[in-house]
Amino acid sequence: DVKVTQSSRYLVKRTGEKVFLECVQDMDHENMFWYRQDPGLGLRLIYFSYDVKMKEKGDIPEGYSVSREKKERFSLILESASTNQTSMYLCASRRGDRGLGQPQHFGDGTRLSIL
Amino acid sequence: KNEVEQSPQNLTAQEGEFITINCSYSVGISALHWLQQHPGGGIVSLFMLSSGKKKHGRLIATINIQEKHSSLHITASHPRDSAVYICAVSSNQFYFGTGTSLTVIP
Repeated sequence: DVKVTQSSRYLVKRTGEKVFLECVQDMDHENMFWYRQDPGLGLRLIYFSYDVKMKEKGDIPEGYSVSREKKERFSLILESASTNQTSMYLCASRRGDRGLGQPQHFGDGTRLSIL
Repeated sequence: KNEVEQSPQNLTAQEGEFITINCSYSVGISALHWLQQHPGGGIVSLFMLSSGKKKHGRLIATINIQEKHSSLHITASHPRDSAVYICAVSSNQFYFGTGTSLTVIP
């Protein structure tokens, strides 16, 4: 079974802090994704990565950056946290064949509160 | 504009009832996914389908490619089915519906 592990289930940070959310997958998947999930808006893609050291902006990248130095790890960085970044953050991974509809495997999510 | 629309947004059912959740999409897809999210956050993939119908236990998923529509059915619903069900499609990227929150009352 694919295991996608997010480093924290709950996190509380202060406005202006630099925040790191870590995600690790154990199935050698090429593709990894960061989403945020807000009530009434569903999942929105922040950034994704097709392979090591590759990254592409999703629908809402502002205020975020990512790092993919190793294949199994995809980090989401909030450069200077703001209260509107309070949300549930979900990481996902999948095999890297873009056109064939491979399923994404999700982590348990990190509920981040910015005070 | 939402590429994936789900209905209903919220659904309450009595234990044992037959439940249907609908999903319509507006983009060309390679596959449609039904996901389940329990309170606490983790998302599990229930089905991935590109045509016809799939069944797993009490869950059935159907898709009509021509009509760009899919349904998720739950037969003999149970309180443990209470969760948010999310429809997603694989196109040039993943598009997600906003979810249907299902509560099954004993």
